[in-house]
Amino acid sequence: DAKTTQPNSMESNEEEPVHLPCNHSTISGTDYIHWYRQLPSQGPEYVIHGLTSNVNNRMASLAIAEDRKSSTLILHRATLRDAAVYYCIPGNNNDMRFGAGTRLTVKP
Amino acid sequence: DAGVIQSPRHEVTEMGQEVTLRCKPISGHNSLFWYRQTMMRGLELLIYFNNNVPIDDSGMPEDRFSAKMPNASFSTLKIQPSEPRDSAVYFCASSHYGSGANVLTFGAGSRLTVL
Repeated sequence: DAKTTQPNSMESNEEEPVHLPCNHSTISGTDYIHWYRQLPSQGPEYVIHGLTSNVNNRMASLAIAEDRKSSTLILHRATLRDAAVYYCIPGNNNDMRFGAGTRLTVKP
Repeated sequence: DAGVIQSPRHEVTEMGQEVTLRCKPISGHNSLFWYRQTMMRGLELLIYFNNNVPIDDSGMPEDRFSAKMPNASFSTLKIQPSEPRDSAVYFCASSHYGSGANVLTFGAGSRLTVL
């Protein structure tokens, strides 16, 4: 399994962009990079995934480094509803193991 | 679709009792996962199934835990006998496996308290 490193916590102001980093230096060539988040008192929810190219969807953008050893989840305008724990998970099969993630606090 | 449905949402039981948690995955999904979440250990993968077959149960803590998936629309996680340290939120998730990426949909969880 690829080992990931994420900051324990980050803070953002409402309406400002947030960049959540993840290091996955041991990622294998076929591993996708998945991001999930867990809102308070809820189960985790899928955010986005990518392989090599940057990806955008309605929730966020995913920027993947050229060497694929790191990635950044970008929330373009943080809202109070984005306060959650964000998890980065490299993998290409069903072995989906969550690390400690980054707890994002959004200040009004 | 109603999403992944878990029951019960809350269970309080006494040490030594048998606990059965249930999960109905999303129709058409062929993979099912059981996770456990505690403050101390975070979110742990206990076991996952592909096409109703257990693939990796290395995360199951001990023999007191067992999981079954008798058909594509139902799975159970059983703890017998239960202990206070089993108190946690247990999540079930399902996905359509096959493309390499894994988009899991989680249920709302079952909060277990063992006294």
